[in-house]
Amino acid sequence: AQKVTQAQTEISVVEKEDVTLDCVYETRDTTYYLFWYKQPPSGELVFLIRRNSFDEQNEISGRYSWNFQKSTSSFNFTITASQVVDSAVYFCALSEPNSGGGADGLTFGKGTHLIIQP
Amino acid sequence: DTGVSQNPRHKITKRGQNVTFRCDPISEHNRLYWYRQTLGQGPEFLTYFQNEAQLEKSRLLSDRFSAERPKGSFSTLEIQRTEQGDSAMYLCASSLGTVRITQYFGPGTRLTVL
Repeated sequence: AQKVTQAQTEISVVEKEDVTLDCVYETRDTTYYLFWYKQPPSGELVFLIRRNSFDEQNEISGRYSWNFQKSTSSFNFTITASQVVDSAVYFCALSEPNSGGGADGLTFGKGTHLIIQP
Repeated sequence: DTGVSQNPRHKITKRGQNVTFRCDPISEHNRLYWYRQTLGQGPEFLTYFQNEAQLEKSRLLSDRFSAERPKGSFSTLEIQRTEQGDSAMYLCASSLGTVRITQYFGPGTRLTVL
């Protein structure tokens, strides 16, 4: 069975610090997609990034960057110079296996609650 | 484009009652998904549609749960004979395309069963 593990339940840092959120996954699929979503206190999940398992290039978008390492089955997320508005729960997710006409849902981790203190 | 919308945003019901939630996907999105999220957990996939066809039902939590998307646009999720354990946030998402495309989520319906 596939699985997403976000071992950090809660992280608290002071504004302007850099912070990395860890994500480790398990899947038997050879082709898969990984996602990060942000869930602010309002509750709506906001899409951040989608990565194909064949593309191991790191990605940077403003203060956000993602490090995908297939060898260690990890897809970590770093926020540089954190801001109070970054406070939220962040979820890592993995596409369902597509072999044999499998479902098209996502398997989510339990999330990391990030608190940015002013 | 307007985002995914869900109604109602909050629902309080008594144990044993039936409830129905509605989801309106992003316009022209052909795929629609339902998830359940309990406190402190990530969303849990329940079911999904491609247009009006429900392609996965086995993840629905029990036979008290059912979903429809009759005309391939909005969808409803019904829970019959609610139990206290059904209290959760019910999330809807939609996507455009085939498999493993990015899913965009709505604000959710929070269900409280007394």
